[in-house]
Amino acid sequence: GAVVSQHPSWVICKSGTSVKIECRSLDFQATTMFWYRQFPKQSLMLMATSNEGSKATYEQGVEKDKFLINHASLTLSTLTVTSAHPEDSSFYICSARGLGQGVVETNEKLFFGSGTQLSVL
Amino acid sequence: RKEVEQDPGPFNVPEGATVAFNCTYSNSASQSFFWYRQDCRKEPKLLMSVYSSGNEDGRFTAQLNRASQYISLLIRDSKLSDSATYLCVVNPNDYKLSFGAGTTVTVRA
Repeated sequence: GAVVSQHPSWVICKSGTSVKIECRSLDFQATTMFWYRQFPKQSLMLMATSNEGSKATYEQGVEKDKFLINHASLTLSTLTVTSAHPEDSSFYICSARGLGQGVVETNEKLFFGSGTQLSVL
Repeated sequence: RKEVEQDPGPFNVPEGATVAFNCTYSNSASQSFFWYRQDCRKEPKLLMSVYSSGNEDGRFTAQLNRASQYISLLIRDSKLSDSATYLCVVNPNDYKLSFGAGTTVTVRA
């Protein structure tokens, strides 16, 4: 089956630094990438949707200047948390939809990365 | 009101027991429903889709009640490996999924 590789899986950083998270689709072309954030014991919250070659669409309340998303190729999307602060500590996870995948197939076969646990000190 | 609400649990059950829990959703126009399983700090994995007529996959049975806007998951003959958080996922439109916060199930020996 399709695989989405997400790196790093764990990041500990100092407050004020920037952290980049990568998601790669290994055996399919990811036309759309979704970025989620999950706080402990809470649901996955969609942060933004990115389509290859265009600007990401951010959900209400998500600062686009703080969470920079780049989806320059069909196999790579990155999320950069700029000037991270302790309140940004969370589990970040991407999911991908591939070229030609319809609605039902997409939702039944939503390919997730393995997630990144970010801890900001 | 949250789009998807779940009883967080935890449901602590002995091996071999049956455990069931529900999830409610707010958008009556939602078309697709799923149960995902998530282990601690891991990505969610699709457990099963939920169809209008109800469906079964081995020890797992899912049902949908559109009138009352809830879906359910029943696990029979619980195994230790069933210990996880079960996420209710609803598709209110064609690309955006809404996730519940999850129901934690712990199966003890």
